[in-house]
Amino acid sequence: AQKITQTQPGMFVQEKEAVTLDCTYDTSDPSYGLFWYKQPSSGEMIFLIYQGSYDQQNATEGRYSLNFQKARKSANLVISASQLGDSAMYFCAIHFNKFYFGSGTKLNVKP
Amino acid sequence: SQTIHQWPATLVQPVGSPLSLECTVEGTSNPNLYWYRQAAGRGLQLLFYSVGIGQISSEVPQNLSASRPQDRQFILSSKKLLLSDSGFYLCAYATGQGGPDTQYFGPGTRLTVL
Repeated sequence: AQKITQTQPGMFVQEKEAVTLDCTYDTSDPSYGLFWYKQPSSGEMIFLIYQGSYDQQNATEGRYSLNFQKARKSANLVISASQLGDSAMYFCAIHFNKFYFGSGTKLNVKP
Repeated sequence: SQTIHQWPATLVQPVGSPLSLECTVEGTSNPNLYWYRQAAGRGLQLLFYSVGIGQISSEVPQNLSASRPQDRQFILSSKKLLLSDSGFYLCAYATGQGGPDTQYFGPGTRLTVL
């Protein structure tokens, strides 16, 4: 069974607008961590943001925020005020006994 | 500060040739280490992980192997490459020392098998 699902293979957003990248997960483990990574065309995987399953508040890191809805098992990434440099692949991941990555969403920011 | 290195950055190898990719981590002790492969336009596939020197867990049966001869060194090898081994290979580490077990990735090696 899929542990992490990203249903949007590709997304477009206008520069300076906000965009939400979807991620749903599947685990019965009560303790887990949720992560988002950015992969630009250079290939490196850049850690963006983390949310723990017991965290009461949504995680935020600068322009990135994680919309954590535990009952729905979703962990969407919100990027505010998109910039051209945000164009990249974005991967959602979950860690309980090991790491599981989603298939990714390709974000294109239009000028 | 912690850093992770991978080399080579790119590699073109003929089918049937051997392979050795190296990954080293600086600035931390006893990290958990991981090898992933990413096919073009796809997600990450975990190949191997290690929680200590000489301790290797294999996730996917294949013609690849991994070794950890030193605490902060992780090597991915093959005796005979296949066409299907082409891809982007990423090494990652996690400190596993309290807090989130965030994985941090190296710059990757792009392998083309011809």
